[in-house]
Amino acid sequence: DTAVSQTPKYLVTQMGNDKSIKCEQNLGHDTMYWYKQDSKKFLKIMFSYNNKELIINETVPNRFSPKSPDKAHLNLHINSLELGDSAVYFCASSQGLAEHYEQYFGPGTRLTVT
Amino acid sequence: RKEVEQDPGPFNVPEGATVAFNCTYSNSASQSFFWYRQDCRKEPKLLMSVYSSGNEDGRFTAQLNRASQYISLLIRDSKLSDSATYLCVVNINTGGFKTIFGAGTRLFVKA
Repeated sequence: DTAVSQTPKYLVTQMGNDKSIKCEQNLGHDTMYWYKQDSKKFLKIMFSYNNKELIINETVPNRFSPKSPDKAHLNLHINSLELGDSAVYFCASSQGLAEHYEQYFGPGTRLTVT
Repeated sequence: RKEVEQDPGPFNVPEGATVAFNCTYSNSASQSFFWYRQDCRKEPKLLMSVYSSGNEDGRFTAQLNRASQYISLLIRDSKLSDSATYLCVVNINTGGFKTIFGAGTRLFVKA
């Protein structure tokens, strides 16, 4: 059983388009995250949600809008895609907000903007 | 200065070698520390948490020095399957917490 799943795995689209990435976790965790890993392999947190409530929004352009319909799902919608948005986007979850909890990552969505 | 800095690598070692990775963090509000492993084109996975007393898991030993704001990972008797990128991860207390990943150190273990 996949613990954290993301769809799609690959996404190729043109500049200016709007796209969404979906994430689901079946671990019963309260906290979910979105990370961006760029071409230099830096993994940077974008958002974190706890029980559907936004906790962290890390200076991400407002073209990126996360949505958490329930605590098992955290989707990412991106408007007006730009070339610089090309990256691998990872969803993750953890048991809760305490800092000692391990984060479990999804397989990633490789976004290419042309 | 980056909040979490790691040895740039890559490290190329023969099977059976012992290899050590270092990581420094700049924020004294850092509360918890981890090493994650990321294989090529895969997601990061927890290798081990790092405790003040140091901890060991088989061939892997992690150490934390809060005074020097330094974390290390030692891998003994390297295996081909240890080839991966090792990510130093720090959780910083910001009221809640924020997770900061280092850029990673690439390890190649060769036969």
